[in-house]
Amino acid sequence: AQSVTQLDSQVPVFEEAPVELRCNYSSSVSVYLFWYVQYPNQGLQLLLKYLSGSTLVKGINGFEAEFNKSQTSFHLRKPSVHISDTAEYFCAVSGAAGNKLTFGGGTRVLVKP
Amino acid sequence: EPEVTQTPSHQVTQMGQEVILRCVPISNHLYFYWYRQILGQKVEFLVSFYNNEISEKSEIFDDQFSVERPDGSNFTLKIRSTKLEDSAMYFCASSDGLAGGVQETQYFGPGTRLLVL
Repeated sequence: AQSVTQLDSQVPVFEEAPVELRCNYSSSVSVYLFWYVQYPNQGLQLLLKYLSGSTLVKGINGFEAEFNKSQTSFHLRKPSVHISDTAEYFCAVSGAAGNKLTFGGGTRVLVKP
Repeated sequence: EPEVTQTPSHQVTQMGQEVILRCVPISNHLYFYWYRQILGQKVEFLVSFYNNEISEKSEIFDDQFSVERPDGSNFTLKIRSTKLEDSAMYFCASSDGLAGGVQETQYFGPGTRLLVL
């Protein structure tokens, strides 16, 4: 069985400051890791994914994440946030192609001017 | 850019009534999914569908739920007799599935907010 823990339910951050959203997972098999973003009143949009290869993954909108197998983590970072980054961010894991995604509880990011 | 669409965006129903939530996945995708998010809780997997049959389902997906791909474009979730606890946002997703053994991205629709009174 797989599980995902997002350690922060809410992260307030000032505009142009860096942000890090933490994600830890547990799985008995090799995993694929994802970060999705949900803007207010919208669906889930993929930010980035780790499937294999380089452990540093770059995504859309200036986000990046680092896969750390020994710490079973996949933290998301952005060096300088904008007001438009205000959203809820979900970390998710799956085991193989076609398999279900298991989501974390989400982290709500509120960017303040 | 192709996208997953869902209708209706909002649905209010009485307890015990049947509801059908509709989704149009991205046209060349092979795998289809339903997830739900109860207010304030995690996004939870309900069911996956491939090659015209259910490939995996969660404990939530009991006999009250069914899925269907009635034609080449639609993918539906039916709840036969709704309960108060079925109130949630329901997301449809689709993916290419396997591509050289690598997981393909699941693309999500905007969701249907279901309220059972």
